[in-house]
Amino acid sequence: ELKVEQNPLFLSMQEGKNYTIYCNYSTTSDRLYWYRQDPGKSLESLFVLLSNGAVKQEGRLMASLDTKARLSTLHITAAVHDLSATYFCAVGNHPVTGANSKLTFGKGITLSVRP
Amino acid sequence: NAGVMQNPRHLVRRRGQEARLRCSPMKGHSHVYWYRQLPEEGLKFMVYLQKENIIDESGMPKERFSAEFPKEGPSILRIQQVVRGDSAAYFCASSPKGGAYGSPLHFGNGTRLTVT
Repeated sequence: ELKVEQNPLFLSMQEGKNYTIYCNYSTTSDRLYWYRQDPGKSLESLFVLLSNGAVKQEGRLMASLDTKARLSTLHITAAVHDLSATYFCAVGNHPVTGANSKLTFGKGITLSVRP
Repeated sequence: NAGVMQNPRHLVRRRGQEARLRCSPMKGHSHVYWYRQLPEEGLKFMVYLQKENIIDESGMPKERFSAEFPKEGPSILRIQQVVRGDSAAYFCASSPKGGAYGSPLHFGNGTRLTVT
């Protein structure tokens, strides 16, 4: 059974500093997603990582994937208050051609940026 | 271009009643997924449907829960005889048929079910 672990579960960040959060998964997969969720809201897709060594960047966030280590990292540069949210990683179970199959989510990491 | 539409946003039911949650996928999407989110938890997969077809229901509880996605109309997640443990946020997501491999799921705003 695929397991996805995220750590830490909660992170208090200081504005302007850099941080890295992690996502580990237990079995081979070739698709990893990062989503953001604000309290009481839906999930917003941030990144899709499909191959070993993939790196994607958007603003102050950069995500990377190491399929051999079964590890993805999300790096935050110069944290700002707007980044306060819960960040989920999700892993695809089966390499299905065409349509997506189900995703297994981690428990999420809640980031809080303080002045 | 409307996104994934879920209704109602909030639903309160007494124990023993039935709950019906609706999901209309994005235009052009024919694959629907239902997930459940408990407080302080990630999303747990429940069921994956295409029109008139259940593809994967491995996450659905064996009793009281059912899902359908008819040829016409929204997908419905139905919970019979609700219990307090069913209180959660239920999210629907959709993806297009034959969409680009690895394309992300698009989520609705969720239905927050409270069982009293």
